[in-house]
Amino acid sequence: GQSLEQPSEVTAVEGAIVQINCTYQTSGFYGLSWYQQHDGGAPTFLSYNALDGLEETGRFSSFLSRSDSYGYLLLQELQMKDSASYFCVLRTGANNLFFGTGTRLTVIP
Amino acid sequence: DARVTQTPRHKVTEMGQEVTMRCQPILGHNTVFWYRQTMMQGLELLAYFRNRAPLDDSGMPKDRFSAEMPDATLATLKIQPSEPRDSAVYFCASGLDEAHYEQYFGPGTRLTVT
Repeated sequence: GQSLEQPSEVTAVEGAIVQINCTYQTSGFYGLSWYQQHDGGAPTFLSYNALDGLEETGRFSSFLSRSDSYGYLLLQELQMKDSASYFCVLRTGANNLFFGTGTRLTVIP
Repeated sequence: DARVTQTPRHKVTEMGQEVTMRCQPILGHNTVFWYRQTMMQGLELLAYFRNRAPLDDSGMPKDRFSAEMPDATLATLKIQPSEPRDSAVYFCASGLDEAHYEQYFGPGTRLTVT
């Protein structure tokens, strides 16, 4: 089986930096993805890490350490529109994705 | 602007009725996924197709749920008979097999079974 742990809620101030951590357990590992979902909306893909290290896409970065079974999503220069749920997603096989329960990020002025 | 489309967007039905949800994947995508999202269970994979062939439907209650892809532009998810516990948002997503970690989600069908 597999499991994912991420905080259920995070609050941060507009303009600040926030890090959302994710730890996982799995017998088969292909990679870790991050998705964003606004209330009432659909999940949208943010990033993917298959190898250790940092991937940067604009204000968002994602990090993976396979030896620690750990990853994080870093959001910089927070904007109000970043308030959403963020899911870390485990790719456990060529065709298998397992979604975490999500972290609800609230950005306050 | 290529998007996954789903119909209907909202569906309210009575227990015991048949429900059919439809999805049009992005043209050229060869993988299609059905997910269900509830507050309690989060986002769960129900079924997965590659090149229209079902590869994994282990997440789907077999006695009442069925998923098909009659052609490359249409995927369907059917519930018969529906039960109140089926109330959820059902998402369809599509992608390319070689990069299926990046899935494109449709807007979802919000199903309420009374």
